[in-house]
Amino acid sequence: DQQVKQNSPSLSVQEGRISILNCDYTNSMFDYFLWYKKYPAEGPTFLISISSIKDKNEDGRFTVFLNKSAKHLSLHIVPSQPGDSAVYFCAASKDSGYALNFGKGTSLLVTP
Amino acid sequence: DTGVSQDPRHKITKRGQNVTFRCDPISEHNRLYWYRQTLGQGPEFLTYFQNEAQLEKSRLLSDRFSAERPKGSFSTLEIQRTEQGDSAMYLCASSGYRVEVAGGLYEQYFGPGTRLTVT
Repeated sequence: DQQVKQNSPSLSVQEGRISILNCDYTNSMFDYFLWYKKYPAEGPTFLISISSIKDKNEDGRFTVFLNKSAKHLSLHIVPSQPGDSAVYFCAASKDSGYALNFGKGTSLLVTP
Repeated sequence: DTGVSQDPRHKITKRGQNVTFRCDPISEHNRLYWYRQTLGQGPEFLTYFQNEAQLEKSRLLSDRFSAERPKGSFSTLEIQRTEQGDSAMYLCASSGYRVEVAGGLYEQYFGPGTRLTVT
């Protein structure tokens, strides 16, 4: 059973614009959420995380929003750059430090 | 660079052979995790250690799989009698407690992975 869902397999955005990647989860026990970026033939690179006590966390161009009532989170990248082109994975766990449950990923293409 | 390292990066083996992978975590991290990723899927959790203790194992970890972290530093993942369905990217991650983050957090940092192909 897929407890973390990324319903958009791909997204194309123009350079300089905002990229919004979405993620939904079904397990109400999840209280820690992360976003990873992955290039082909490499391991996932940690981007940003948020715990359920917050609804927003920001780090440079990356902002994660958490809507617990809707069991939904999103990653905003502003402004988008061609180097951001990669597959983005949403992950969730019952507490930080425990097993992560990943979505299937969204492939982001940022065009010049 | 003192990130997570994995060895080998690629392994091709024949069905029925045993294989062993190694993971060296970030030195100050006390938690170490193994995941498996197949094409078109996100990583799937296999098992994790806190220091040398194996605290959780996924039901994906069949009897043919065994993981160890004997001295609480590096870890090995062994697959016995490999099957074609074992072909995947095997990812290792490590984490350490970040007290400076509000509420304290463990963030998992991944290695480059070992690509296993079973022929």
